[in-house]
Amino acid sequence: AQKITQTQPGMFVQEKEAVTLDCTYDTSDQSYGLFWYKQPSSGEMIFLIYQGSYDEQNATEGRYSLNFQKARKSANLVISASQLGDSAMYFCAMRERIYGQNFVFGPGTRLSVLP
Amino acid sequence: GAVVSQHPSRVICKSGTSVKIECRSLDFQATTMFWYRQFPKKSLMLMATSNEGSKATYEQGVEKDKFLINHASLTLSTLTVTSAHPEDSSFYICSARDPHSGGARPGDTQYFGPGTRLTVL
Repeated sequence: AQKITQTQPGMFVQEKEAVTLDCTYDTSDQSYGLFWYKQPSSGEMIFLIYQGSYDEQNATEGRYSLNFQKARKSANLVISASQLGDSAMYFCAMRERIYGQNFVFGPGTRLSVLP
Repeated sequence: GAVVSQHPSRVICKSGTSVKIECRSLDFQATTMFWYRQFPKKSLMLMATSNEGSKATYEQGVEKDKFLINHASLTLSTLTVTSAHPEDSSFYICSARDPHSGGARPGDTQYFGPGTRLTVL
């Protein structure tokens, strides 16, 4: 069974508007971390934001915020005030305590910001 | 932030040759490094976990004799694609874990290299 699901293979957003990228996950572990990475066309993986399973508040990092709904096992990424440079692939990932430090990545969402 | 480098960034080779990709942690000692493979327009798939001074742990379906991993020092792991074939063409990304990182930003304790694009003709 897929551990990370990203149901939006592609998304479009107008510049300066907000966009939500969906991510749901599956784990039986109580201690886990959820991550979002951005991958531009150059290929590098850029860390955006992290949410720990025990964190009570939603994580925020500048224009990025994570809408964490633990009961629903969702960790959606919200990008506010989209910029043209936000166009990239976005991957949701999970690290489970019982599996050590390796990540499981979702299939990704390609975001295109329109001028 | 911590930096992980990969070399080469791009390599084109003939079928049947072996290719070595290096992954270096530049300003920290990485006891654990990870090797991922990414096909075009697909997600990252973990190939193996490389531990300094011990044998790598390979994911199911990854041929350990095909993809040789050596983690000889705390700052260097190498992936050698032996007898490469066109189906091995892919984007290979390494990541390194800084065991002393964490704290306020535990999310980025694993740092990714810029990737190596391998094309086998």
